[in-house]
Amino acid sequence: QSALTQPASVSASPGQSISISCTGTSSDIGGHIYVSWYQQQPGKAPKLIMYDVVRRPSGVSDRFSGSKSGNTASLTISGLQAEDEGDYYCSSFTTTNTLLFGGGTKLTVL
Amino acid sequence: QVELVESGGGLVKPGGSLRLSCAASGFTFSDWYMNWIRQAPGRGLEWMSYISHGGDARNYADSVKGRFIISRDNAKNSLYLQMNTLKAEDTAVYYCVRDRGGSAFDIWGQGTMVTVSS
Repeated sequence: QSALTQPASVSASPGQSISISCTGTSSDIGGHIYVSWYQQQPGKAPKLIMYDVVRRPSGVSDRFSGSKSGNTASLTISGLQAEDEGDYYCSSFTTTNTLLFGGGTKLTVL
Repeated sequence: QVELVESGGGLVKPGGSLRLSCAASGFTFSDWYMNWIRQAPGRGLEWMSYISHGGDARNYADSVKGRFIISRDNAKNSLYLQMNTLKAEDTAVYYCVRDRGGSAFDIWGQGTMVTVSS
């Protein structure tokens, strides 16, 4: 069970947009819609910010959006704000009824 | 309010055992699948195990299959993780997590630290 592949880091200035990719296989991301994204800030538990590829939980800003193409999912954050800094993780259910996380992406707002 | 509170972490020697507990409140515990997820110091998230509403369905990550056992007591609104034959690489913060459906984890506990060291 290999982790999903995410870029280690991404950075941009306030107001800009960024996308974080998450690449898996047909046995996980490519196999269904159960792809989620989490934001984790230092010293805190992760927070769900996207599920079922494109759905936002109540209270999550509409600056966050999700998409998927084949075996790759993406999280886009528009209008970057300083408070968006943190680590972002993707996850996907798998065809063997397990779950995989990505290795995480550190977002820096310059 | 909706809350998950883990307990039972600590320092244990390699080969030892530990049982983690998670107390749920603020929601109908028996309605939800529950999971354990861990995070080694400075590392990413790693899914460990899930258990269904009634406990009849469970699964584990390969890294802990045969060593860890997930269970629940719906009458006590509690989730458990029995960890056996612990290894140094099991050192991590362990989170109790609610699955809102589709393996989307919407409620997380504060985590409990497990350190495996001689």
